[in-house]
Amino acid sequence: AQTVTQSQPEMSVQEAETVTLSCTYDTSESDYYLFWYKQPPSRQMILVIRQEAYKQQNATENRFSVNFQKAAKSFSLKISDSQLGDAAMYFCAYSNFNKFYFGSGTKLNVKP
Amino acid sequence: DVKVTQSSRYLVKRTGEKVFLECVQDMDHENMFWYRQDPGLGLRLIYFSYDVKMKEKGDIPEGYSVSREKKERFSLILESASTNQTSMYLCASAYGAENQPQHFGDGTRLSIL
Repeated sequence: AQTVTQSQPEMSVQEAETVTLSCTYDTSESDYYLFWYKQPPSRQMILVIRQEAYKQQNATENRFSVNFQKAAKSFSLKISDSQLGDAAMYFCAYSNFNKFYFGSGTKLNVKP
Repeated sequence: DVKVTQSSRYLVKRTGEKVFLECVQDMDHENMFWYRQDPGLGLRLIYFSYDVKMKEKGDIPEGYSVSREKKERFSLILESASTNQTSMYLCASAYGAENQPQHFGDGTRLSIL
């Protein structure tokens, strides 16, 4: 069975600093897709970044980047120059054909 | 922008009632999803649909059913609500390919008394 594990229930970062959120997953598939979603307090969940497993190059979206280690089944999210608006729950997600799995989430606090 | 609208933000029902949660999307997405979100457990897939009148069970379908009579609308039904179904329910939609991100609604916080 595929599972997604986020081992950090909560993290804190100082404004303008860098933070890395961890995610590991379990799968026997070779082709799949990975996502990071952000859920601000009382607001909609939105996509932050996605990665195709067949691509070796790590995805980047402005201040957000991933470290994708396929062999280790690891998919961490790095947030650079953290801003107050980055405070949210972050969910790692896996997708393959008709399978969709989310991790338990990491709550990110940003300190001014 | 994609709009996924859930009919209620907050809902309070009683044990044994039949409960309907409605979701509508305006982007002609093939796929629609119902998740349940609980603290410490993340999002768990209840059901998804990849086409009108088609449905697939997710990880926790017990006690729930779904209906998709039109492409834009996906309904979650609690046949006989129980207190352990008190939760946040999220609807999402996406284009058909597996690499497409899901677009979420605001969620419905359902309390079963």
